[in-house]
Amino acid sequence: AQSVTQLGSHVSVSEGALVLLRCNYSSSVPPYLFWYVQYPNQGLQLLLKYTSAATLVKGINGFEAEFKKSETSFHLTKPSAHMSDAAEYFCAVNLNQAGTALIFGKGTTLSVSS
Amino acid sequence: NAGVTQTPKFQVLKTGQSMTLQCAQDMNHNSMYWYRQDPGMGLRLIYYSASEGTTDKGEVPNGYNVSRLNKREFSLRLESAAPSQTSVYFCASSDPVRDLNQPQHFGDGTRLSIL
Repeated sequence: AQSVTQLGSHVSVSEGALVLLRCNYSSSVPPYLFWYVQYPNQGLQLLLKYTSAATLVKGINGFEAEFKKSETSFHLTKPSAHMSDAAEYFCAVNLNQAGTALIFGKGTTLSVSS
Repeated sequence: NAGVTQTPKFQVLKTGQSMTLQCAQDMNHNSMYWYRQDPGMGLRLIYYSASEGTTDKGEVPNGYNVSRLNKREFSLRLESAAPSQTSVYFCASSDPVRDLNQPQHFGDGTRLSIL
């Protein structure tokens, strides 16, 4: 079965430090990959999505993710954390079938300290 | 620019009561979804509707029913609420028929507590 694994349920960084949130997927073919962010008491907002056009994907708020087929990974990074980045982040995959839903990782909560 | 609208935003029920969560989207999407979110579990799919007139079970369908009323609306019903159904419920929509890589758009959620 297809699955998504997010390593680390909680990540803490200092303001200005590098943010690295890990995501690995299991799939026999490259799936469609997404990162979503959820701020407290809100719904999920799309950060970025992978397309086959480029392995390095840039998203909103300075985030980017790199697709590595050999490692079946799609890690999310940001060079310099800001206090406003504190939120929960979800990696998700979509199977290559119309009408099927996303499979989500369990989420990583990012804390940013000053 | 409403997107996906869920009602109500909050609800408290007693065990055994029934209720319907409403969801509507104004993006002309074909597919709609209901998820539940529990701490440490991520989002789990309850039911989805690939297109108007069709519904399918997801990962955790027990205790729920859905209705795809029309292209815009997709409701989730709890017939006899149980404390295990205390959760945050999210509705989402997308149009994967048009573009498999299109992301899902989410509502703000319904926070449901069952006593």
